[in-house]
Amino acid sequence: GQQVMQIPQYQHVQEGEDFTTYCNSSTTLSNIQWYKQRPGGHPVFLIQLVKSGEVKKQKRLTFQFGEAKKNSSLHITATQTTDVGTYFCAGIGVRNQGGKLIFGQGTELSVKP
Amino acid sequence: KAGVTQTPRYLIKTRGQQVTLSCSPISGHRSVSWYQQTPGQGLQFLFEYFSETQRNKGNFPGRFSGRQFSNSRSEMNVSTLELGDSALYLCASSYGQGNEQYFGPGTRLTVT
Repeated sequence: GQQVMQIPQYQHVQEGEDFTTYCNSSTTLSNIQWYKQRPGGHPVFLIQLVKSGEVKKQKRLTFQFGEAKKNSSLHITATQTTDVGTYFCAGIGVRNQGGKLIFGQGTELSVKP
Repeated sequence: KAGVTQTPRYLIKTRGQQVTLSCSPISGHRSVSWYQQTPGQGLQFLFEYFSETQRNKGNFPGRFSGRQFSNSRSEMNVSTLELGDSALYLCASSYGQGNEQYFGPGTRLTVT
């Protein structure tokens, strides 16, 4: 069945450094969504990408959807302590008739001040 | 607009017991999904309901079941609890298939 893999699983950075997490799907996706979960909190929707090669920015966060719609990335420029949390990608396969959203394992980001 | 609410927030049960968790979605949302989250396991999909019908189901044993009511509120039930069922159970609602999901605060279940 459809699988969504995220790397790295953990990332420790110094405040001010950049951070990137990658998401790879075993099948072509109709869309990709990104969520952030702060420690002790619940996942919060960040963004959805739909088009092949799409790039969206939210302040210091840049989201990309691959040309083949099988991978995506989230890049944070100049991390801050407020960026701490786990970032999840989630996608629906184009052949997934049921439309089930499959989550990646997440990348846990820690930022050292 | 009120967010997704889940009750109870915390629960301690004994092995062998059963438990029912409740989720009230955002008003107007007809899709409710349930996830199990444990350290290192990410978000494991349990099931999704839309208009009172189970639309998708994850790879969990039959001890895990759910339902959705006409007002879109949803419940999930776990029977014959095992120690491994200890987890954060998250409910998420959305307008429909493929739309962004809004998560509730979760129910922290501890099985002793």
